[in-house]
Amino acid sequence: DAGVIQSPRHEVTEMGQEVTLRCKPISGHNSLFWYRQTMMRGLELLIYFNNNVPIDDSGMPEDRFSAKMPNASFSTLKIQPSEPRDSAVYFCASRRRDRGFNTGELFFGEGSRLTVL
Amino acid sequence: QQQVKQSPQSLIVQKGGISIINCAYENTAFDYFPWYQQFPGKGPALLIAIRPDVSEKKEGRFTISFNKSAKQFSLHIMDSQPGDSATYFCAARRIKAAGNKLTFGGGTRVLVKP
Repeated sequence: DAGVIQSPRHEVTEMGQEVTLRCKPISGHNSLFWYRQTMMRGLELLIYFNNNVPIDDSGMPEDRFSAKMPNASFSTLKIQPSEPRDSAVYFCASRRRDRGFNTGELFFGEGSRLTVL
Repeated sequence: QQQVKQSPQSLIVQKGGISIINCAYENTAFDYFPWYQQFPGKGPALLIAIRPDVSEKKEGRFTISFNKSAKQFSLHIMDSQPGDSATYFCAARRIKAAGNKLTFGGGTRVLVKP
């Protein structure tokens, strides 16, 4: 079975440019999460969706960050304009909602490594 | 606000030794405690998890010990192997809470020397 698919795997861009990261969750999973990983701050939850609806975006650092989930099989995380401090690995993860008791395992993609020069 | 504190940040152990990673949490409403393992260039993957109604769970060489009164839990890697070299994250969650998002610790980088 295909796992969570992220693209691009690597992105190098210049400060001020727009960056769009993409994620395809595992089919049948109805929760999707965007995380950012840096050496200094570890794994930070940016935003998550249940059934394509944003539930909690309190981790989104600034208005420069936005995320969408137009359907159950696709999500984007956009940074506009990008800054050097946005350099990090961005992970997408999905989870299946079990009936009733949701202990659900998070399945992570392999991440998108972003470098903003 | 860091609700899950993990230590140490890094750990070096000889092959065959025991790796021990500790985590402490603040929110007594947490009721699910997983550990994730991350290899370089990969995303984290679930390794083992525990509910607070048990004090220990073992899967192969990996054991979680849980102390509810102290609000602490730990991961023990017995007979550590070079292939165990990875970053380990503890986490905590309220299963039945609205949204029930996972809160991660800061991670521990484990290096097992041959």
